[in-house]
Amino acid sequence: NAGVTQTPKFRVLKTGQSMTLLCAQDMNHEYMYWYRQDPGMGLRLIHYSVGEGTTAKGEVPDGYNVSRLKKQNFLLGLESAAPSQTSVYFCASSYSGTAAVTEAFFGQGTRLTVV
Amino acid sequence: QKEVEQDPGPLSVPEGAIVSLNCTYSNSAFQYFMWYRQYSRKGPELLMYTYSSGNKEDGRFTAQVDKSSKYISLFIRDSQPSDSATYLCAIFGFDNAGGTSYGKLTFGQGTILTVHP
Repeated sequence: NAGVTQTPKFRVLKTGQSMTLLCAQDMNHEYMYWYRQDPGMGLRLIHYSVGEGTTAKGEVPDGYNVSRLKKQNFLLGLESAAPSQTSVYFCASSYSGTAAVTEAFFGQGTRLTVV
Repeated sequence: QKEVEQDPGPLSVPEGAIVSLNCTYSNSAFQYFMWYRQYSRKGPELLMYTYSSGNKEDGRFTAQVDKSSKYISLFIRDSQPSDSATYLCAIFGFDNAGGTSYGKLTFGQGTILTVHP
């Protein structure tokens, strides 16, 4: 019963390098989200997706791109990493929120350090 | 102005105390109100939810929503050391960007709670 799985769990990047964070869910959820969590700032929404092939910007989208080519996967890309992107990244997924409470299920997080 | 505001604390209370955690929100279109609990180095997990004004009780936890004031609260009775965690309010609503309505889950900053024996 995997739920939401994030890959990798830890990563150290040099400034200017690129990387992709992978989020996979096995619950057939329509909605998927990428958040970053920083001390004193809480969870801030980067991008989200309401279905395969559809994405939307959240609160802090600059410097990130996303893709949802398959319903179960949501990828977060950093094209040119900056120290300001050092954070813990959480992926989450939920059912469509139109008819029911949308409990979001979270992955275990990815700790990213940009030096 | 952030859509959801929450006092980050930290909050430290003795075991057995009543804890009150609060959030305010700005968008009256928000529909569902949730509280998540996050233990250290873990992802958040849903604790309680409600979608209407009033109180909802679950054991030692009570969630309260006042839509007229755009204010939500979580009360913890007889707090225990195992309640020590970060508590995040979360609100689900629809974002009408570019003429298309998307569902969006927005979190407060989280309040760090420590219950000491």
